[in-house]
Amino acid sequence: GQNIDQPTEMTATEGAIVQINCTYQTSGFNGLFWYQQHAGEAPTFLSYNVLDGLEEKGRFSSFLSRSKGYSYLLLKELQMKDSASYLCAVRDRDGATNKLIFGTGTLLAVQP
Amino acid sequence: DTEVTQTPKHLVMGMTNKKSLKCEQHMGHRAMYWYKQKAKKPPELMFVYSYEKLSINESVPSRFSPECPNSSLLNLHLHALQPEDSALYLCASSAGKNEKLFFGSGTQLSVL
Repeated sequence: GQNIDQPTEMTATEGAIVQINCTYQTSGFNGLFWYQQHAGEAPTFLSYNVLDGLEEKGRFSSFLSRSKGYSYLLLKELQMKDSASYLCAVRDRDGATNKLIFGTGTLLAVQP
Repeated sequence: DTEVTQTPKHLVMGMTNKKSLKCEQHMGHRAMYWYKQKAKKPPELMFVYSYEKLSINESVPSRFSPECPNSSLLNLHLHALQPEDSALYLCASSAGKNEKLFFGSGTQLSVL
């Protein structure tokens, strides 16, 4: 079966660093995505990992370990606007089509 | 143009009504998706179209009927819905099977 887990909620302070973890057990694996979603808005793409290691993009970094079924999203220099839901999503290894399965999502609250 | 446009943004309908949700993209993407998202839950895949053909139906009830008239448009026809179908319906597109998804801002549907 498919199982993608994240902490439900996290709180952090403006200017700090926060790490959001994601563990997955899926029937196939062909890449992992992180999306940000503000309330009532569309999810927006943050990062993509398909090989083990760290991908850095400005204040956001994402790490993947395929052998452990584990990823994290690291947010540095937190800003109030980073308060949002963060979704981990695994691409199933369906050769024909891009089937993205989302995790439970982590609601991050950034406090002054 | 890197947008996926969904209309309407909000929809209230009775259980005997017939309505349609519309989605449009002009990025030349050949894969389009419908997701359903309940409050404080992750998006759940409903349908995937690849090159205007339905490639995935995640066992969605027949009261939801997707249609892809051309490569830029995706519709979701609704008929005899139930109150539990109330949710945010998200459309997405991608350039190919290994590419990231671009999401629309969704249609917030309420079934009375």
